[in-house]
Order: sequence, then structure tokens, then C-alpha cells
Amino acid sequence: AQKITQTQPGMFVQEKEAVTLDCTYDTSDPSYGLFWYKQPSSGEMIFLIYQGSYDQQNATEGRYSLNFQKARKSANLVISASQLGDSAMYFCAMRETGRRALTFGSGTRLQVQP
Amino acid sequence: GAGVSQSPRYKVAKRGQDVALRCDPISGHVSLFWYQQALGQGPEFLTYFQNEAQLDKSGLPSDRFFAERPEGSVSTLKIQRTQQEDSAVYLCASSFFPGQGKSEQYFGPGTRLTVT
Repeated sequence: AQKITQTQPGMFVQEKEAVTLDCTYDTSDPSYGLFWYKQPSSGEMIFLIYQGSYDQQNATEGRYSLNFQKARKSANLVISASQLGDSAMYFCAMRETGRRALTFGSGTRLQVQP
Repeated sequence: GAGVSQSPRYKVAKRGQDVALRCDPISGHVSLFWYQQALGQGPEFLTYFQNEAQLDKSGLPSDRFFAERPEGSVSTLKIQRTQQEDSAVYLCASSFFPGQGKSEQYFGPGTRLTVT
């Protein structure tokens, strides 16, 4: 079974609008962390936001927020006020207790249109 | 620059050749990771170092893949007798803490390996 599922291969959004990128995960570990990374065409993975499984509040970092629904095992990324520079691949990832490495989803390609 | 650097950025190898990919992590970062990213996919874990100790190599796809970090800083990923299925981008990442909690991983630009 996929540990991280991103069901949207591609998304379009108009500049200045908000967009939600979906991520669901599968783990039996009670303690885990969820991450979102952005990968522009240059190839470098850029950390955006983190949510711990025991965090009481949804994480926010500037224009990025994470809609964390633990019971549904979803961790959707919300980007507000989209900018042309937001066009990139976005990856959801999880780290489980005792495992240092990240497990990534297959990504969503976001294109922001003027 | 203070980021993770990787070299070479691009490598073309003929099938059967050996290659060596280098990663310079952020200074002082304890943890170092190697990932393999196939075209159109998310990165997949290969191996993890804490300082010079290789604590997890469960993701290495075969014994043709070997990684080292002898002095706890620079790391080299070596692939022997390259095959076409080894064509991918190889990403290196480092983090300050031993890879727990929020300690985000900082990624390098990757090395794109093409095996012909």
C-alpha cells in the first residue's frame, strides 16, 4: 500500500487565488511528521511546512498552511494568493518514528496562470 | 553559499561504467541522506548517515550501490557497473539534528545520471 498518496498529478490556479493540494497518508505509527516540499524546474527540493502528529494546531508558514485532518489521515497544503513563482512540483512526505528518512508521494505539478 | 552542494550536476555514463557522485552537506549537519528520483516520481530513500556512521542502507537497490562518509562531512555515492535503470536524479540532503521531529532536510540540486 502507498504510504503517501497524492491524487492530483496536475493542478491549475489563477494568479492571486488560493489552491489546495491533496495528500493522504497511511501509517500505524502514533507519532509521525508530515512535510511539504516544493521542487521548481531547477530541481532543488525546498522545505515549505511541517506538521507533527501531536500538534494541536494546523501549521502555517506565510502563504502556506496545512489542513491536517488526523482521523482522515490527510494533510492538504493550502497556498493562498498564488504567485507565478509558485509554479512547481509539490511533494508531500512523511517521517515515522524511528525512521530518519522521508517517504515521498508522487507529487502534484502546480501551474499558476496570469 | 551555505547550502548543500552536489557534483557533478550532470553525468552521462556508458552501461557498465562506474560512477561517483559527491555531496557536500551544510557545515555542522549531523545527518546526511541520499535519495533517488526517477523521472516523474517522488524521491526514494537510498541510505542515511549520522556523522560517519551509515545507520541505514535499506534503500540501496543492489550491491552495485555503495556510499561512504569517512570524515562525517562530504559523502560519495558510488555506482558500479551502471545499468540503464540507474538513470535518475540522485539527491543528497542534510539536517542538523539526527533526523527526528521537525528537523527538516535541506536538499542539494541533485546529480542527473544518464546511462546510455
